[in-house]
Amino acid sequence: DVKVTQSSRYLVKRTGEKVFLECVQDMDHENMFWYRQDPGLGLRLIYFSYDVKMKEKGDIPEGYSVSREKKERFSLILESASTNQTSMYLCASRPQERMNTEAFFGQGTRLTVV
Amino acid sequence: AQRVTQPEKLLSVFKGAPVELKCNYSYSGSPELFWYVQYSRQRLQLLLRHISRESIKGFTADLNKGETSFHLKKPFAQEEDSAMYYCALSASNDYKLSFGAGTTVTVRA
Repeated sequence: DVKVTQSSRYLVKRTGEKVFLECVQDMDHENMFWYRQDPGLGLRLIYFSYDVKMKEKGDIPEGYSVSREKKERFSLILESASTNQTSMYLCASRPQERMNTEAFFGQGTRLTVV
Repeated sequence: AQRVTQPEKLLSVFKGAPVELKCNYSYSGSPELFWYVQYSRQRLQLLLRHISRESIKGFTADLNKGETSFHLKKPFAQEEDSAMYYCALSASNDYKLSFGAGTTVTVRA
């Protein structure tokens, strides 16, 4: 059973804190993604990585950074958390060998910034 | 840049009635199109992809390039179809997925 695992299901952080969201996949996929999911807005891409140490900005990268030191792990970093970053965060991975491939999602991390 | 539009935020149907979820896209090339579903307390998962032309859980979706649409249909809705549905698009030679805003489907007994 393929797996994308996010380290936390729920997180509560204070404004201004540095926050790390971790994601690990066991499928040896080259591509990994971070999305945020908000009602009425759907999933919006924050950052994308297509290889170790490679990253590309998505549609809403402001206030976020990422790290991919190992193929299986993709971390999302909120440098200074703000209340407007309260959201559900989804990690996903997708193989690179051919097109029309399925993306696999983690269970999500619900982050609340107070 | 590509864009996916799902005009209905909420859809409520009775059990046994047909259900259709609309999806329109804007993209100048040949897109890869998908429907993803998220059941309550479960992770987002693939329902079907246009390239496969398959029927999954009774759902089908036809790509209409003229109308730039990829509507999802099921002739007889079941209570277990209650979920959030997302239409998604990948551009040619790109692995990023762009998602619509999602449609919440409620099937009433």
